[in-house]
Amino acid sequence: EIVLTQSPAALSLSPGERATLSCRASQSVSSLLAWFQHKPGQAPRLLIYDASNRATGIPTRFSGSGSGTDFTLTISSLEPEDFAVYYCQQRSDWVTFGGGTKVEMK
Amino acid sequence: EVQLLESGGGLVQPGGSLRLSCVASGFPFDNYDINWVRQAPGKGLEWVAGISGIGTIPYIPDSEKGRFSISRDNSKNTVYFQMNNLRAEDTAVYFCSKTLSVGSHWFDPWGQGTLVTVSS
Repeated sequence: EIVLTQSPAALSLSPGERATLSCRASQSVSSLLAWFQHKPGQAPRLLIYDASNRATGIPTRFSGSGSGTDFTLTISSLEPEDFAVYYCQQRSDWVTFGGGTKVEMK
Repeated sequence: EVQLLESGGGLVQPGGSLRLSCVASGFPFDNYDINWVRQAPGKGLEWVAGISGIGTIPYIPDSEKGRFSISRDNSKNTVYFQMNNLRAEDTAVYFCSKTLSVGSHWFDPWGQGTLVTVSS
């Protein structure tokens, strides 16, 4: 099983600041990685797929990069609605998710 | 508009069974894979089952092949997720999702989820 390790577990930032979230895979997943945003009581929302492609309707402040084992989700300037938990997910070998990074308001 | 609606959750005793349903609308259902992902209280996301659109091939993690099964009825735009011999650790919100596009494996969008509580 491919293990995805997300860091940090939590990030305390203010609106307008830049958020940089990391996801590391235990073995190469090529570019077969996605990022999701999840808010309490809501459905998870696909942000990025194939490591760097923004899903439909996702603002340009969200960007993804990386390949192989190291990936990054960057939110260039946090909006109030961006405070949530973010998960990475791989589909190179079955499906696994990372443990999540909580982006909280400072 | 694409919609996915889960139902069938509830309180069940340990060792019991439950069948969840995912009813879809707004897209050509039989072309798309449907997956189930759960979130236990205070935990992250965990994929638990999938079924292909074309060929209706089920995908279940090896760890759950003896307890979980998945099927679909394309005439009803519905996927069923059967869980047997339930344990306390199966307590979670269960989400269904479709794949982003035909042939894709990315999950988008997702339903709002249905809560399963396993407790005596």
